[in-house]
Amino acid sequence: GQQVMQIPQYQHVQEGEDFTTYCNSSTTLSNIQWYKQRPGGHPVFLIQLVKSGEVKKQKRLTFQFGEAKKNSSLHITATQTTDVGTYFCAAYHPTVYNFNKFYFGSGTKLNVKP
Amino acid sequence: DAGVIQSPRHEVTEMGQEVTLRCKPISGHNSLFWYRQTMMRGLELLIYFNNNVPIDDSGMPEDRFSAKMPNASFSTLKIQPSEPRDSAVYFCASSFLEPGTNTGELFFGEGSRLTVL
Repeated sequence: GQQVMQIPQYQHVQEGEDFTTYCNSSTTLSNIQWYKQRPGGHPVFLIQLVKSGEVKKQKRLTFQFGEAKKNSSLHITATQTTDVGTYFCAAYHPTVYNFNKFYFGSGTKLNVKP
Repeated sequence: DAGVIQSPRHEVTEMGQEVTLRCKPISGHNSLFWYRQTMMRGLELLIYFNNNVPIDDSGMPEDRFSAKMPNASFSTLKIQPSEPRDSAVYFCASSFLEPGTNTGELFFGEGSRLTVL
């Protein structure tokens, strides 16, 4: 199946520092989604990237899709304690049925010290 | 809309017992997914349905697991007999796929935390 590697596994930052998580695939992806899961919560959709080289911003969050569509990153500027949680990338793997089947990365757990 | 509704939120059972987890997707969504989350394996896709039809169940661990979607507003995931290694959080998610597209945002329920003793 589709293998999506996500690094780092954990990241501890001081409030105000920046944070980046990376998602890498050995094969070209159709698109990629990012989700955030708060401790004890459920994954919540953040964004979907489709185009090669695409960059999208949501306030302090910047999402990038690589030119070759094999990697993606999520960057948070000036982290806040509300950013605490696990960030997952989910890569779409086309199947013969061509339906919405996503493989989730292992996630990056972000801890922000106040 | 109330979002994806799962029940029970917590279940503690003994090995060998049957467990049934329930999910009500968001009204109007045409795809439904069951995921399992553990520390060791992360989020694993177990099975997904499109228009109530199971499309891919290759993620279902073994014959002890079965899933049904008798109508557009209800799905069950059953484990019989349950084993301690089945302990995990089980998430149901739904999505709406517009005709001609093949991807969409997943809306997750709050999950069912299963503990098998």
